[in-house]
Amino acid sequence: EVQLVESGGGLVEPGGSLRVSCAASGLSFSTAWMSWVRQAPGKGLEWVGRIKSNADGGTTDYAASVKGRFTISRDDSKDTLYLQMNSLRTEDTAVYYCTTARELDYWGQGTLVTVSS
Amino acid sequence: QSVLTQPPSASGTPGQRVTISCFGSSSNIGSNYVYWFQQLPGTAPKFLIYRNSQRPSGVPDRFSGSKSGTSASLAISGLRSEDEADYYCAAWDDSLSGWVFGGGTWLTVL
Repeated sequence: EVQLVESGGGLVEPGGSLRVSCAASGLSFSTAWMSWVRQAPGKGLEWVGRIKSNADGGTTDYAASVKGRFTISRDDSKDTLYLQMNSLRTEDTAVYYCTTARELDYWGQGTLVTVSS
Repeated sequence: QSVLTQPPSASGTPGQRVTISCFGSSSNIGSNYVYWFQQLPGTAPKFLIYRNSQRPSGVPDRFSGSKSGTSASLAISGLRSEDEADYYCAAWDDSLSGWVFGGGTWLTVL
């Protein structure tokens, strides 16, 4: 059974930084392309970005709203995906979901990031 | 403003058939597969339909998807109370180089 478990969410002030993680199990993580999708309170889903497998170049793509502020990385030795968020804004407040990227078929339970002073 | 356009709400009575539409453009639905997700309140989205009309194992055949040109639709037949949820469409967008979603449709089972 595929499991994706996010962690690291919390309260951060505007302009601050936070790193959230996603621990994967039950899939071949090293060959998986992975994505982050977020959902602001009471709002719809928004794709944040993705990272390809290292075998496919390990390259990243980002939504325009986060490009230059957020960085997605992976540690295949730990089967873990990361989202480093810098220069956080109040509009980044959301539940952040980790998903498999090719077809968004597996999702974690999400971790809440609140940006507020 | 979402790239894909869905009606904000839909409704039906138990046993009825309802459809939810999703409109896009040539750079997303027109050239890529459409996916549908179901999100029950307070939970993560669930993979419901993939590659326009395929159902993952475990998804009842009451749920079906279709695509034509730059639009797609999700049909739910034999409506049940547990189908009350938000439904989202999604597709890869070649121009944006990213996944795009519809704004979501809240389905009420009357």
